[in-house]
Order: sequence, then C-alpha cells, then structure tokens
Amino acid sequence: DTGVSQDPRHKITKRGQNVTFRCDPISEHNRLYWYRQTLGQGPEFLTYFQNEAQLEKSRLLSDRFSAERPKGSFSTLEIQRTEQGDSAMYLCASSPPTREGPGEKLFFGSGTQLSVL
Amino acid sequence: AQKVTQAQTEISVVEKEDVTLDCVYETRDTTYYLFWYKQPPSGELVFLIRRNSFDEQNEISGRYSWNFQKSTSSFNFTITASQVVDSAVYFCALSESMIYNQGGKLIFGQGTELSVKP
Repeated sequence: DTGVSQDPRHKITKRGQNVTFRCDPISEHNRLYWYRQTLGQGPEFLTYFQNEAQLEKSRLLSDRFSAERPKGSFSTLEIQRTEQGDSAMYLCASSPPTREGPGEKLFFGSGTQLSVL
Repeated sequence: AQKVTQAQTEISVVEKEDVTLDCVYETRDTTYYLFWYKQPPSGELVFLIRRNSFDEQNEISGRYSWNFQKSTSSFNFTITASQVVDSAVYFCALSESMIYNQGGKLIFGQGTELSVKP
C-alpha cells in the first residue's frame, strides 16, 4: 500500500514565476488536505477537498494560490507570481471515508520544499 | 480563538531517559479532538494518537503514554526509556470547530524537537 506521494520534492524558482505541485493521495482516500509549514513552525491548514469538491480555503490562501482536484484523485496546488514569503514546505495529506466527522487520522506526504529566490 | 502551545522548543536527553513533551491548548468548543504527530527528518508527519474531549483516560502504547487533563487544558506525551530512533520533531494538534465535513482541519503547535543521544 503506497503512501501519499508529492512531486517534486524540491523546487527552486525565481520571484515572479509560477509553480505547480502535485499530490497523489492514498487510493480510496476521499479527503485531501494541503498544509504549509515554515521553518521551526507547525503546519498551517491551507485548503481541503472531499472528492473533487474544494470545501474550505484558509485566509492564508491568497488569490495567487489555486488548488484543484479534478477527478477526485490527485490534486495540484499552483502558486502564481511567487514571492519570497511563499518559501515553505507544502504538505499534502489524505484521509479515508469515515462515518466520523472531524478528527480523523491524516496520512501525510513528505512535502514539496519551495525556495523562492 | 483556538491555539496550541508547545513551550519546549528543543529537548535533549540521553538514551534510556524518560522524557515528557508538554502541550497546552485553548478552545471554546466543548467537543474537540487532540492529536500528536511525529515528524522525522524525512519530513512526513506520522500520526501517533487521537483523543476526543470526552475521553480523559490516559493511554499507553508501548513506551509511549499520554496524559489528557481537561481541567488544565493539557495533553502531555511521555516517552519512557527513550531511544535514538525517537529523535524527531513532535507536534501536538487540535481539531478546529467540529462541523461535519470539515475533516482534518488541524491547528498545530510549534513543535518540540527531541534529540536522543546514545
């Protein structure tokens, strides 16, 4: 059983460029989350999908950020016109269908480390 | 506002010592979940435990134990007889407001970096 896969592992870009990250969740996991983690801090929630529907977006997610999950499987996170403040680890997590509401166990990928020069 | 505080930024112990990682949380919700996750150098967070707000029983899993005290809003984590492989960053997290379908929207603490030396 493969885990959550994220690509690329590392991305270096110049300020102003667009970048796109991909996340492949564990198969049959219907919920997918994006978090951002800066050095020395805990992850911060960005957005959340249930199947293909994006159900919530954090205020941290400015207009330059967009996330999709077109067929309810993999997801992409795009950042347009990157800024140095976007430098961070972008983590993806997924969770399986459950009758429980919030509070489920998340399975995380290893993240994409973005450096904006 | 909801908040999780892990006051210990770094802890260093020698192998076989016991170590306790502190976690204090703030929430106005009456129903919530608390978590601990481990982040090894490879980067992926690994789930350790979940506790709901109605269950204050302490839990033990091998060398790991958790002490949940609602009266002090604390959810502390103890590793007994620490090993080098326990070296990692440990995060305490709180579920955001309990509306169905919000799923795993968590508020994380700043993390405690544990270093276990041989």
